[in-house]
Amino acid sequence: NAGVTQTPKFRILKIGQSMTLQCAQDMNHNYMYWYRQDPGMGLKLIYYSVGAGITDKGEVPNGYNVSRSTTEDFPLRLELAAPSQTSVYFCASSYPGRAFFGQGTRLTVV
Amino acid sequence: EDQVTQSPEALRLQEGESSSLNCSYTVSGLRGLFWYRQDPGKGPEFLFTLYSAGEEKEKERLKATLTKKESFLHITAPKPEDSATYLCAVQAPIKAAGNKLTFGGGTRVLVKP
Repeated sequence: NAGVTQTPKFRILKIGQSMTLQCAQDMNHNYMYWYRQDPGMGLKLIYYSVGAGITDKGEVPNGYNVSRSTTEDFPLRLELAAPSQTSVYFCASSYPGRAFFGQGTRLTVV
Repeated sequence: EDQVTQSPEALRLQEGESSSLNCSYTVSGLRGLFWYRQDPGKGPEFLFTLYSAGEEKEKERLKATLTKKESFLHITAPKPEDSATYLCAVQAPIKAAGNKLTFGGGTRVLVKP
């Protein structure tokens, strides 16, 4: 069972560069999420989706964009990377009562 | 706005020394309270979901309980492999909000042999 798969696992970006973090799930979940986790902190919600074609902002959406063209995929786009976006990013999918997380993408912006 | 506060931030235990982690929450209509375990460099791993005050759930050395204002994660006779960060989260009360979770800051547990 693959569950939630995130790529890449690590990435270093220069200030002003752009990139897309990939997330795919094979559990046919409608709900998907992107969280960021800063050192020693809990997870903060960036964006979420309740189904293909439907996305909405979470707690910390500035500097990010998402799309949801299929049930399986939920990529997160960073435009004009900034040092404040250095963090670990987690993608998750859920059904009511339980969320499943990927292994994370550690992003450093220098 | 949903708020979740976990205490203590860090906990050092000797192997076999039982203890409890606290999760205090403020939410307008609790739909579920979740406990996750997170190992370094890994994503959160699901432990429990609690839905109503008085509910308890157990898994090996872990037991989670829920009241109207807080949840406790009790670790009984911990072993070094129980060392991890334990995260608490509450689920948004409005279905239209996508079942999203609001997390606390976590408690880092270190169990020494």
